[in-house]
Amino acid sequence: DAGITQSPRHKVTETGTPVTLRCHQTENHRYMYWYRQDPGHGLRLIHYSYGVKDTDKGEVSDGYSVSRSKTEDFLLTLESATSSQTSVYFCAISGRGGVTYEQYFGPGTRLTVT
Amino acid sequence: QKEVEQDPGPLSVPEGAIVSLNCTYSNSAFQYFMWYRQYSRKGPELLMYTYSSGNKEDGRFTAQVDKSSKYISLFIRDSQPSDSATYLCAMSATSGTYKYIFGTGTRLKVLA
Repeated sequence: DAGITQSPRHKVTETGTPVTLRCHQTENHRYMYWYRQDPGHGLRLIHYSYGVKDTDKGEVSDGYSVSRSKTEDFLLTLESATSSQTSVYFCAISGRGGVTYEQYFGPGTRLTVT
Repeated sequence: QKEVEQDPGPLSVPEGAIVSLNCTYSNSAFQYFMWYRQYSRKGPELLMYTYSSGNKEDGRFTAQVDKSSKYISLFIRDSQPSDSATYLCAMSATSGTYKYIFGTGTRLKVLA
């Protein structure tokens, strides 16, 4: 394993509530990513971070915000959860040793918005 | 039209068969190509990485890129039941970008 964990692993929440997912790494990778994976769409990038406090939007960023206050942690927040945000969320890391293309993925968080 | 197209399968083959998995793409700027394997309820793991055109071999796996046809392939020789997984292709225009475009994945079943 690349030393990457996600919490919680499963969550059920109601429409309109805020939700925060946490990604934690112990490998000192510079870059961190949040993806969502849905049937028929594959993996889609939500946000990514290229350093502490440095983040940028991905392909499907609407309704999501992120924060990275230290190298190890990358938080994804759903500001007001909607049913369309029911998905499996994966965190990924890369960049140790200058290698950016090899992304290591976490185990995923299954989020259900009812 | 999606930038990257991948047949979702499922693809079922007998143990020992040669498997061919493919992706087509529309962006001629893509130069970096990857294949990931994803077991059920797990995160993807990188299998192969290829730059530009040509072949790359690693054990039973061969990645092939044909940029003129905008087509990439992953071949698995002597397939095993443990190869049963979803295979995702991913590609990017530059090495420094953090934005890889993923295919939807092909589900492979290798029957014992």
